[in-house]
Amino acid sequence: NAGVTQTPKFQVLKTGQSMTLQCAQDMNHEYMSWYRQDPGMGLRLIHYSVGAGITDQGEVPNGYNVSRSTTEDFPLRLLSAAPSQTSVYFCASSPGTLRTQYFGPGTRLLVL
Amino acid sequence: AQSVTQLGSHVSVSEGALVLLRCNYSSSVPPYLFWYVQYPNQGLQLLLKYTSAATLVKGINGFEAEFKKSETSFHLTKPSAHMSDAAEYFCAVRMNRDDKIIFGKGTRLHILP
Repeated sequence: NAGVTQTPKFQVLKTGQSMTLQCAQDMNHEYMSWYRQDPGMGLRLIHYSVGAGITDQGEVPNGYNVSRSTTEDFPLRLLSAAPSQTSVYFCASSPGTLRTQYFGPGTRLLVL
Repeated sequence: AQSVTQLGSHVSVSEGALVLLRCNYSSSVPPYLFWYVQYPNQGLQLLLKYTSAATLVKGINGFEAEFKKSETSFHLTKPSAHMSDAAEYFCAVRMNRDDKIIFGKGTRLHILP
């Protein structure tokens, strides 16, 4: 199993550009989530999904969209990037919320 | 609202000394609690979790944590620190009626030789 994979590993955007951060898992996990990590702020939940076709907002959803058309994939979309979205983004998956979350390696995003 | 608070953004202990990382939560219902560790430039990995069974939970690498409902705490301990324990540690909480898992701000553990 590849586990949780994230692409790209690093991205530079200009303000106003759009992009999609990809996240995929091959463990047939129902639960997937996106976090952003900023210095001194820990990990903050952006969006999460308890299964295909179901998504919900986390703590800091503004400026981000998600969809879950398949069990394996959970892309995070930035429609109009802002410098405040400069961060490291982690995707995670688990069989359920009481089970261990497996984290991807992260995507480092810089918005100029 | 649910929240988790980690006291101390940085903690330094000498090698061989006791490690104590503090985590308190706010909840009106029994929560599920987790401790994760993040080594430099890596993702997070689970150390241990409390899911309403035994209140003293043992994890990997010699870490353990005790759930104390009266104190709304889930502090992480290790009897003897090792240099390899230097990392950032995150406490996380999931409330029974909610699928969100919320993380604390993290505590960076420094081990002094």
